[in-house]
Amino acid sequence: QKEVEQNSGPLSVPEGAIASLNCTYSDRVSQSFFWYRQYSGKSPELIMSIYSNGDKEDGRFTAQLNKASQYVSLLIRDSQPSDSATYLCAVKSALEYGNKLVFGAGTILRVKS
Amino acid sequence: ETGVTQSPTHLIKTRGQQVTLRCSSQSGHNTVSWYQQALGQGPQFIFQYYREEENGRGNFPPRFSGLQFPNYSSELNVNALELDDSALYLCASSLWQGETQYFGPGTRLLVL
Repeated sequence: QKEVEQNSGPLSVPEGAIASLNCTYSDRVSQSFFWYRQYSGKSPELIMSIYSNGDKEDGRFTAQLNKASQYVSLLIRDSQPSDSATYLCAVKSALEYGNKLVFGAGTILRVKS
Repeated sequence: ETGVTQSPTHLIKTRGQQVTLRCSSQSGHNTVSWYQQALGQGPQFIFQYYREEENGRGNFPPRFSGLQFPNYSSELNVNALELDDSALYLCASSLWQGETQYFGPGTRLLVL
């Protein structure tokens, strides 16, 4: 079982719709979760972080976390063509000092105008 | 822009050669992590450096090695390059035990 799993997509949504991206993780002790956006040929850019169960909103983005189900999601409201990218889910994993990120393979989102 | 810089942006090498990639961390950040991202995959953790010491390593062979300098910049060295080493190499900086890692633009390595 992969540590972090995402549907590879592509997920296609019309402009203005809500895009829903999902991620599951295997390590029950994980406490910190991140969503990164990656445009083709570019490096990952942090969109959201979430640490507590429930919803966290930032502009058009809402991250949702359910630790009991080991599930984290990202909702993008009023999707725009500029949102078309690969969305990477990442889970913090402890090192002896500091931490590393364990990534899923990413979900490709296509927003059609 | 995250303030993390990497050089070079692109690199072409042949199998068996050695390569050095460089990273300058964001101002105030003392921890540098390196990741390898193959095409169509998520980034995979290579190792992390804090105070010039390796602070954790992923599932990569010893021919992947690194350094961190007193100014917190870092190098990733790969010896005996293999075709499968072709990937985007990402450097991320963070505060020690900080939650957030900020990525540089990456170095795209092609091994022929």
